[in-house]
Amino acid sequence: AQKVTQAQTEISVVEKEDVTLDCVYETRDTTYYLFWYKQPPSGELVFLIRRNSFDEQNEISGRYSWNFQKSTSSFNFTITASQVVDSAVYFCALRRSNYQLIWGAGTKLIIKP
Amino acid sequence: DVKVTQSSRYLVKRTGEKVFLECVQDMDHENMFWYRQDPGLGLRLIYFSYDVKMKEKGDIPEGYSVSREKKERFSLILESASTNQTSMYLCASSLSAGESNYFGPGTRLLVL
Repeated sequence: AQKVTQAQTEISVVEKEDVTLDCVYETRDTTYYLFWYKQPPSGELVFLIRRNSFDEQNEISGRYSWNFQKSTSSFNFTITASQVVDSAVYFCALRRSNYQLIWGAGTKLIIKP
Repeated sequence: DVKVTQSSRYLVKRTGEKVFLECVQDMDHENMFWYRQDPGLGLRLIYFSYDVKMKEKGDIPEGYSVSREKKERFSLILESASTNQTSMYLCASSLSAGESNYFGPGTRLLVL
């Protein structure tokens, strides 16, 4: 079975704190892709990152970083020095072998000023 | 920049009405998708299309149909709207299979 679990339904932190959003996936495929998307209050989903299963190097983009660990089937997302504009729902997704995406339920992140 | 537009941001319809949701992308993408998003369930794929006049069922196609007569346009049709189809509907497109989805702003549909 293929599945994506985002166990954190909602996280609330104060601005400037670091926060990590967890994503655990299940798949039998040896080749797969993982994605993170952001959905701000406006509603439009914004693509953040795509990572293939052969590349376990961590990625950093400004205040955002991603930690991919195949051994634990996790693809966690960390925001450093969070800002109010980071408030959004964040989704993790896994690409199936037939190219469709399987989505986690999302984590609502609230950054308080 | 890829632009995916949806015909309405908000719609209110009555049970039994036929509802059309339109999606247009301007980047010549092969693949187009319709999802619905419900709290706690994430996004669920309704239908997708990888070419003009081609369509494939997603995870929850019941009660829906689609039409892709032109490459840039993908329509979702609710033949007879029901209250359990009240949801946020998101359209997406991608350049090729497996590439990142680019999303439209969504249509929030309320069926009374």
